[in-house]
Amino acid sequence: DGGITQSPKYLFRKEGQNVTLSCEQNLNHDAMYWYRQDPGQGLRLIYYSQIVNDFQKGDIAEGYSVSREKKESFPLTVTSAQKNPTAFYLCASTTGNSPLHFGNGTRLTVT
Amino acid sequence: SQQGEEDPQALSIQEGENATMNCSYKTSINNLQWYRQNSGRGLVHLILIRSNEREKHSGRLRVTLDTSKKSSSLLITASRAADTASYFCATDPKNSGYSTLTFGKGTMLLVSP
Repeated sequence: DGGITQSPKYLFRKEGQNVTLSCEQNLNHDAMYWYRQDPGQGLRLIYYSQIVNDFQKGDIAEGYSVSREKKESFPLTVTSAQKNPTAFYLCASTTGNSPLHFGNGTRLTVT
Repeated sequence: SQQGEEDPQALSIQEGENATMNCSYKTSINNLQWYRQNSGRGLVHLILIRSNEREKHSGRLRVTLDTSKKSSSLLITASRAADTASYFCATDPKNSGYSTLTFGKGTMLLVSP
């Protein structure tokens, strides 16, 4: 079955620690995206990548970093510079102008 | 920036009733998409309507688009308890590239048996 796998489903970290969220897809999609969702809110774009070894900042990139070394993988690092990291993080992919295909998210809690 | 705004924020109905959700947006679009999100899960694409289309159907879903009013509606007919979820509209602005798809805050639909 093709799809997007995000891991882990739940992640707990202490303030001041960097943490990396995994996103892997086997859909052969070119473009991948990271979104942040806060309670009762829509999705806000953090970073996106349209091709391997290239990525662009979204609306709320501060405090986050990404890499795109392989087509299948687009990990997101939440750094200690991110002031309010507790949120639900969603990874998505697409190719051409097809709709976004989402993973099931990682819920990050930082205390 | 969030362009689409859904209305109402929350909707509670009985099984078998129809559910209508609305989405308003501000700038010209290439297309408008509706997604569904079950609690604690990712979004699932439901339907896409292009700017030159006025109405589209998919099973029990009916989407309309009025570009003159910059609004869209999603109608779910004969609702079921399994339709309980949040529904988001997403607009693909013209001349901005697909990477600028913007989501509204969603309508939370509760369908009671």
